[in-house]
Amino acid sequence: GAVVSQHPSWVICKSGTSVKIECRSLDFQATTMFWYRQFPKQSLMLMATSNEGSKATYEQGVEKDKFLINHASLTLSTLTVTSAHPEDSSFYICSARSRGRGSYEQYFGPGTRLTVT
Amino acid sequence: DAKTTQPNSMESNEEEPVHLPCNHSTISGTDYIHWYRQLPSQGPEYVIHGLTSNVNNRMASLAIAEDRKSSTLILHRATLRDAAVYYCILSLVYNQGGKLIFGQGTELSVKP
Repeated sequence: GAVVSQHPSWVICKSGTSVKIECRSLDFQATTMFWYRQFPKQSLMLMATSNEGSKATYEQGVEKDKFLINHASLTLSTLTVTSAHPEDSSFYICSARSRGRGSYEQYFGPGTRLTVT
Repeated sequence: DAKTTQPNSMESNEEEPVHLPCNHSTISGTDYIHWYRQLPSQGPEYVIHGLTSNVNNRMASLAIAEDRKSSTLILHRATLRDAAVYYCILSLVYNQGGKLIFGQGTELSVKP
């Protein structure tokens, strides 16, 4: 089956610093990747949709200057949380849709737990 | 985006079938019905999807009402590993790359 990886799996950073999270599709090309965040005991909240080679489309209420998304290749998207604050502590999950499979499935990464101190 | 309504939680006994309901009365003709599940501290996992007809795969079955206003995910024999939050989601496959908007889901617990 299709595999999506995320790196790092967890990260602790100090308030005011920036953190980059990578999302890779390991065995397929992803034309579209999605970024979600999830707070404890809550559902996933879609943050943005990212298409390879173009600017990400952010959901309402998500600050595009704070959450920088780059989808430079068909197998890699990155999310950078800039000037992180404790309220940005969350579980960040990416997903990918493949090109050419004719599939309606999204394949999710294992998530990255960010803790801002 | 069309909304779905699911019970907050359900319980099942191991080895017994589980029927997880989902209401989606505002579904449009082109919305697909997707089911994903999420184990604790993991990313969601695809379970099944359908449009109008009932669907079966190795993980589960999806029964879709004739008017498409509701559907039921069927786990034929629950195991302890099936304990997870199950999400019923509607999406237009070709709308914005098929983005998924997650609701609250149903937390399924399985008793030995």
